[in-house]
Amino acid sequence: AQSVTQLDSQVPVFEEAPVELRCNYSSSVSVYLFWYVQYPNQGLQLLLKYLSGSTLVKSINGFEAEFNKSQTSFHLRKPSVHISDTAEYFCAVSQPGTASKLTFGTGTRLQVTL
Amino acid sequence: NAGVTQTPKFQVLKTGQSMTLQCAQDMNHEYMSWYRQDPGMGLRLIHYSVGAGITDQGEVPNGYNVSRSTTEDFPLRLLSAAPSQTSVYFCASTRQSSYNSPLHFGNGTRLTVT
Repeated sequence: AQSVTQLDSQVPVFEEAPVELRCNYSSSVSVYLFWYVQYPNQGLQLLLKYLSGSTLVKSINGFEAEFNKSQTSFHLRKPSVHISDTAEYFCAVSQPGTASKLTFGTGTRLQVTL
Repeated sequence: NAGVTQTPKFQVLKTGQSMTLQCAQDMNHEYMSWYRQDPGMGLRLIHYSVGAGITDQGEVPNGYNVSRSTTEDFPLRLLSAAPSQTSVYFCASTRQSSYNSPLHFGNGTRLTVT
């Protein structure tokens, strides 16, 4: 069985400040890790993913996440946030071979203000 | 380029009523799935299908039925609605268990059961 923990339900931050959204996972086998973003009244969109190889993965809009196997973490970071980054962010895990069957965390609401 | 289309967007039911949530995708994806999203609980997998004629249960299948007669459509049926089924429902699809292909989500159906 696998599980995902997102300890922060809400993270308020000022525009242009850095942010880190925390994600820890539990699994007895190797995993794939994902971050999805949900804007208001929309479905989820893939932000970035770790499958294998380099432990640091990046998105096209400036987010990055680092897979840390020893700490079973996959925290999401951005050095300078924008108002448009306001959304809910979900961390998810799956197992190789069943990559479509995701287990999601409870989500973190990122609120960016001026 | 429609992607994943869910209908209706909103629905109010009385306890005991039945209804079908529709999901259609035009990307020729083999894998389709239904999630429910509840505050503080993230997304939980209800049912999924790896191809036409094949369905299986997810984490929270009770009270829901699915069928997959075509590649494009994956309807979710509530046989006798209960207040506990008040939630936002998301349909998602991807190519068959391909980790290189992310889940594509619809915009959701917000269901209220009174």
